[in-house]
Amino acid sequence: TQLLEQSPQFLSIQEGENLTVYCNSSSVFSSLQWYRQEPGEGPVLLVTVVTGGEVKKLKRLTFQFGDARKDSSLHITAAQPGDTGLYLCAGEKGTASKLTFGTGTRLQVTL
Amino acid sequence: EPEVTQTPSHQVTQMGQEVILRCVPISNHLYFYWYRQILGQKVEFLVSFYNNEISEKSEIFDDQFSVERPDGSNFTLKIRSTKLEDSAMYFCASSFRYEQYFGPGTRLTVT
Repeated sequence: TQLLEQSPQFLSIQEGENLTVYCNSSSVFSSLQWYRQEPGEGPVLLVTVVTGGEVKKLKRLTFQFGDARKDSSLHITAAQPGDTGLYLCAGEKGTASKLTFGTGTRLQVTL
Repeated sequence: EPEVTQTPSHQVTQMGQEVILRCVPISNHLYFYWYRQILGQKVEFLVSFYNNEISEKSEIFDDQFSVERPDGSNFTLKIRSTKLEDSAMYFCASSFRYEQYFGPGTRLTVT
C-alpha cells in the first residue's frame, strides 16, 4: 500500500503568518499534485510537480518536489483567511494513472 | 474555463437499487476516473478508463460496479445493487496527461 502522510493534520494560525505543510511517502511517484478541497465539494487542483527538486510558485504558495520524488512541501507566505481549507497531496505512478491521496491538512487562518 | 460536471448533485436510493452517476469530462481529455470519499475519510480511487476500456481498478470496484462512455461526452458509473456502505461522495475526474481535474461530486445516500 502506498501511503502519503501529511503533516500537520491541523493547523490554526493568524493572518500574516507563514506555514509549511509536508507530504511524505516511502514510495517514489512520477508526479505529485496538490489540491484544495472545500466541504462538500470536489478537490480543486493547485499545482502538479513532476521533476525531482522542482519548485513551483502560485502567488503566495510555493510547492517543492523532493529530489527523490518521495516527498513534497507546500509553503504559504503571509497566510490570509481565504487560504482556509483542506489541503491534499496526491501522488501518481506513471502517466494518467490512479492518484493516491494523502491524509490531508486542515488549515484555518484567523484575523 | 472548461470544467468537469456531474449529475445529479445528490442521489438518495434504497438498498438493493441500481444507480447511475453521470459525468461530462473536459472535452479534449483522454483519461477518465471515478473516485469516492466516505464522509471524514480520504479520497479513494475506484477506476480509470482510457480508449473505451478500463485501464486500472481498485479492490473496491467489484462486480457491482461498471463504467461506460456511451457517447463522445458522457462517462457513467453504475452501481447495480447498492449497499449501505456505498454511501459516499463520488467524484469524476479527467486528464489529458498528468493533471487530473475533478468534478463537484455526487453525494450518494443509500437508505
